Amino acid sequence: GQNIDQPTEMTATEGAIVQINCTYQTSGFNGLFWYQQHAGEAPTFLSYNVLDGLEEKGRFSSFLSRSKGYSYLLLKELQMKDSASYLCAVKDTGFQKLVFGTGTRLLVSP
Amino acid sequence: DGGITQSPKYLFRKEGQNVTLSCEQNLNHDAMYWYRQDPGQGLRLIYYSQIVNDFQKGDIAEGYSVSREKKESFPLTVTSAQKNPTAFYLCASSPQGLWDNQPQHFGDGTRLSIL
Repeated sequence: GQNIDQPTEMTATEGAIVQINCTYQTSGFNGLFWYQQHAGEAPTFLSYNVLDGLEEKGRFSSFLSRSKGYSYLLLKELQMKDSASYLCAVKDTGFQKLVFGTGTRLLVSP
Repeated sequence: DGGITQSPKYLFRKEGQNVTLSCEQNLNHDAMYWYRQDPGQGLRLIYYSQIVNDFQKGDIAEGYSVSREKKESFPLTVTSAQKNPTAFYLCASSPQGLWDNQPQHFGDGTRLSIL
């Protein structure tokens, strides 16, 4: 089966650091993507991990542990504009498609 | 600027009516996808196409149909057989299809409601 779990909602303060976790159980694994989606808008690509370890891209970093079926997205120096949903998606080797989690809604307060 | 254009932004469907959602891309991507997004649920794959004149069913294809006559275009028809069509529909594309690890790029979506 395919299952991707993320927390439904998180809150944080402007300037802080927040970590959004994603755990997955899929029949195959060929990479994990993180997307940001503001309400009513298109998801935009943030990061991609296929090997274990940390990928850093400015204020955003993403980590992957394939043996644990676990990833996280780390957002530093939070800004109000970071208030959005963050989607974790796994590329499955079985059907070669993206399987999305339900998304984590992040609310950044002043 | 290259991108994906979905139209209309809002669409209303009457009972027993088929409606077609447009998706056009000028990114020269081979693969295109249609997703449905409902509140509290992740994106679910309706149909995908890796190349012109070829498409495959996704996880929730029932009540939907697609065509891929041109590389740039991948319209989705929501038929009267889809009994719960109210949702946010997202079209996406990627450079080389599902075997390549390039990210998918998304359009701005079409919000479909029943009258």
